[in-house]
Amino acid sequence: EVVMTQSPASLSVSPGGRATLSCRAGQSVGTNLAWYQQKPGQAPRLLIYDASTRATGMPARFRGSGSGTEFTLTISSLHSEDSAVYYCQQYDHWLSFGQGTKLEIK
Amino acid sequence: EVQLVESGGGLVQPGGSLRLSCAASGFSFTNYSMNWVRQAPGKGLEWISYTTSWSKTIYYADSVKGRFIISRDNARNSLYLQMNSLRAEDTAMYYCARDMGSDLYLDMWGRGTLVNVSS
Repeated sequence: EVVMTQSPASLSVSPGGRATLSCRAGQSVGTNLAWYQQKPGQAPRLLIYDASTRATGMPARFRGSGSGTEFTLTISSLHSEDSAVYYCQQYDHWLSFGQGTKLEIK
Repeated sequence: EVQLVESGGGLVQPGGSLRLSCAASGFSFTNYSMNWVRQAPGKGLEWISYTTSWSKTIYYADSVKGRFIISRDNARNSLYLQMNSLRAEDTAMYYCARDMGSDLYLDMWGRGTLVNVSS
């Protein structure tokens, strides 16, 4: 199993600011990486796939980047509704998830 | 509306069994492989099982192999998870999720059904 490590575990950012979330793979996964957003009490929702392609309906202020073992999700112009846990998931070697980053907007 | 709806969760004693269902609607179910993913309370996501569109290929996570069985009924647009020999550590929200075939990212998720294994 490819171990996915996300950092930080949590962060707090002011509305209108920018958040940078990191995800590191234990071995190269190419660009076979997805990001999900999970709000409290809700199912995860696909944000980004193929490391940088936004899923249908996702606003442009969600940007994914990276390849190989290092990936970043950048969320700009933060809104209160962006408060959620964000998970990365690789699908190069079957599939495995990171442990999540909790983002608080306040 | 395109959606997945899980059902069948509940309270079960250790060693017991439970069968989860996932009803798909709004898309061509036979065009997609499907997965079960679970999330223990306050924890992250754990993929547990996968089936191709006509059940030709099936995989399980080691944590459930030999105890859980995934199946689907394409005529009923439904996915199932038969869970046997349940343990306390199986307590979780169980989600069904659709993947994109050759690329295993999960583009649609149900709202989940909660399984509580407790005496």
